[in-house]
Amino acid sequence: EAGVTQFPSHSVIEKGQTVTLRCDPISGHDNLYWYRRVMGKEIKFLLHFVKESKQDESGMPNNRFLAERTGGTYSTLKVQPAELEDSGVYFCASSRPGVGALYEQYFGPGTRLTVT
Amino acid sequence: LAKTTQPISMDSYEGQEVNITCSHNNIATNDYITWYQQFPSQGPRFIIQGYKTKVTNEVASLFIPADRKSSTLSLPRVSLSDTAVYYCLVGAYNQGGKLIFGQGTELSVKP
Repeated sequence: EAGVTQFPSHSVIEKGQTVTLRCDPISGHDNLYWYRRVMGKEIKFLLHFVKESKQDESGMPNNRFLAERTGGTYSTLKVQPAELEDSGVYFCASSRPGVGALYEQYFGPGTRLTVT
Repeated sequence: LAKTTQPISMDSYEGQEVNITCSHNNIATNDYITWYQQFPSQGPRFIIQGYKTKVTNEVASLFIPADRKSSTLSLPRVSLSDTAVYYCLVGAYNQGGKLIFGQGTELSVKP
C-alpha cells in the first residue's frame, strides 16, 4: 500500500507570506495527525483529526495555523502569515480507525519549511 | 503522560548487539511502551510496542522488567543502516492519539 505522502517536500517563503502544506494519509486511515520539529527541539504534536473532525488541536501554536481535512481524506495545514519561528519540519501521520493513542502511526517524510 | 529519559547518543560497530535503555518512572497502569526509529530526512517509523516482559519481532526485542519503570530496546547485530534516532514513548491507548516524543537516542553504527 502507498505510504503517507506530503507536499511539498521543501518550501522557502518570506516572513509574512502564506504557505499551505498538504498531507495524503494512507487510504482507509481515519486518524490523521500533524507534528512539527523546529530547529533543535523535539517533535511536537500539533493536532489530530478523526475523519474530518478535529479531535485534539491542543498543540496548535496560535491562530496563524489552520488545519483542514475536508471529506476526511487529505489534509492541509496553512500558515498565514508565516513567521521566522515557524521554520522547521512538519510531519503528517495516519493510523487505522478505531485504535487508541499509541497504536502504530505511519509518518510521511515531512515538509521542510524555511521562513526567511 | 509519563516522561521518558534515554541516552542522547550511543556508538556501536557493525555486527554488535545494541541495547538502548529508557527510564519511565511515572508509567501508569494503562501505559504501553513504544519505540520509533527515525532516519535522516524521514519521518519516524514504528519499531515495537509492549506492555510487560518481552516482545520480539523481526526488527528488535523489547525487554520490560516487572516494575515497568524502564525498558530496553535491543537491536541484534546492527549494520550501518541502523544508524538513526530511536525514540521511546510511553502512553495509554485511551489518551487521544497524540505521540509525545522526547529527545531520542542518536545511534551511530561504525564499520
